[in-house]
Amino acid sequence: KAGVTQTPRYLIKTRGQQVTLSCSPISGHRSVSWYQQTPGQGLQFLFEYFSETQRNKGNFPGRFSGRQFSNSRSEMNVSTLELGDSALYLCASSSAISRVYEQYFGPGTRLTVT
Amino acid sequence: QKEVEQNSGPLSVPEGAIASLNCTYSDRGSQSFFWYRQYSGKSPELIMSIYSNGDKEDGRFTAQLNKASQYVSLLIRDSQPSDSATYLCAVKTRGNQFYFGTGTSLTVIP
Repeated sequence: KAGVTQTPRYLIKTRGQQVTLSCSPISGHRSVSWYQQTPGQGLQFLFEYFSETQRNKGNFPGRFSGRQFSNSRSEMNVSTLELGDSALYLCASSSAISRVYEQYFGPGTRLTVT
Repeated sequence: QKEVEQNSGPLSVPEGAIASLNCTYSDRGSQSFFWYRQYSGKSPELIMSIYSNGDKEDGRFTAQLNKASQYVSLLIRDSQPSDSATYLCAVKTRGNQFYFGTGTSLTVIP
């Protein structure tokens, strides 16, 4: 089975711009979660989508949004970029049908805001 | 208080030794527990998952869970230089939220 894919892998944007990141989960997985990873804060949960519905949301401002399509692919959007948004953005997919709820991460998108 | 706490390390062990990584969590209702390995510049890779009290073994890795003490650990036997990485502990709560620790950096010295 192919793993989780994320595009683009690297991105450089300037303050005030917006950005859209894409994630394709493992085939058959219906849950996609997004995380932000920075050296200072570690891995922080942004939101989870399941069957096109946002099921959980972390403590991030409304500039961070997402959506999921009927094929389970997900996009994350960040508007009005700030320098502090520079981070590795990871998406993780899960079948979400077992009690254990294992998540598998994609390679990430490295976003640099200048 | 953070949801998940780990010793940041760094932890250094000689090759062939046992590496012991520890994690505590604050939500007593947490259901599932995970260990991820993350090499520098790479994304986290799932090593182990555990959801019942006790030990779970997979090759050289053993995860231990004690829900009463809200404590999870990972033992790596016969440590190899290729095990040098940051190890992340993750906890899934009843609300299906995942919380990650900040990671423990492990160096295995040849």
